[in-house]
Amino acid sequence: ILNVEQSPQSLHVQEGDSTNFTCSFPSSNFYALHWYRWETAKSPEALFVMTLNGDEKKKGRISATLNTKEGYSYLYIKGSQPEDSATYLCAFQAGTALIFGKGTTLSVSS
Amino acid sequence: NAGVTQTPKFQVLKTGQSMTLQCAQDMNHEYMSWYRQDPGMGLRLIHYSVGAGITDQGEVPNGYNVSRSTTEDFPLRLLSAAPSQTSVYFCASSPRPGGSDTQYFGPGTRLTVL
Repeated sequence: ILNVEQSPQSLHVQEGDSTNFTCSFPSSNFYALHWYRWETAKSPEALFVMTLNGDEKKKGRISATLNTKEGYSYLYIKGSQPEDSATYLCAFQAGTALIFGKGTTLSVSS
Repeated sequence: NAGVTQTPKFQVLKTGQSMTLQCAQDMNHEYMSWYRQDPGMGLRLIHYSVGAGITDQGEVPNGYNVSRSTTEDFPLRLLSAAPSQTSVYFCASSPRPGGSDTQYFGPGTRLTVL
């Protein structure tokens, strides 16, 4: 069974803080790494799909990097806002199926 | 486009009852999948399909059946509900199987088995 680990499990920051989370995945049979944002009582929404070693993607204040050789990806949020409060999921794609980590839950206080 | 739709939104069953969770997408996506979400467990893959007539098991398939007779629909059947199947169920689809495409999630079905 493929294992996708995310850390930390939860995080509480103040408005304006920058933060980052880690996703660790198997370094073999890599096809793609997905990041999703999941707000309570809603469906997960896609942030990034990353396929190439060294990939770096950005959407507003959120960015992500990918290292397929060592099997990790970082998600960064610059200047956190209360509306960034959510669970951030990464998912490893090997073949057709996505294997999700358990997520990092971010809480941003104003 | 409605995207991915799921019915019902909420359901309460008694142990031993059977039911079908419905999932439909209108985006002509080949790949569809079912996940369950439990506290502290993240999203776990139950079954998936790479196209009409083709299904396969995910991480936690026991107690569930699926079929894919059309591109649009991918129902999940609980054969004999158990309290351990109390969960939130999400259906998702993406354009191509095996492609690095975003998966689009439905709104979820919250199931309670008494």
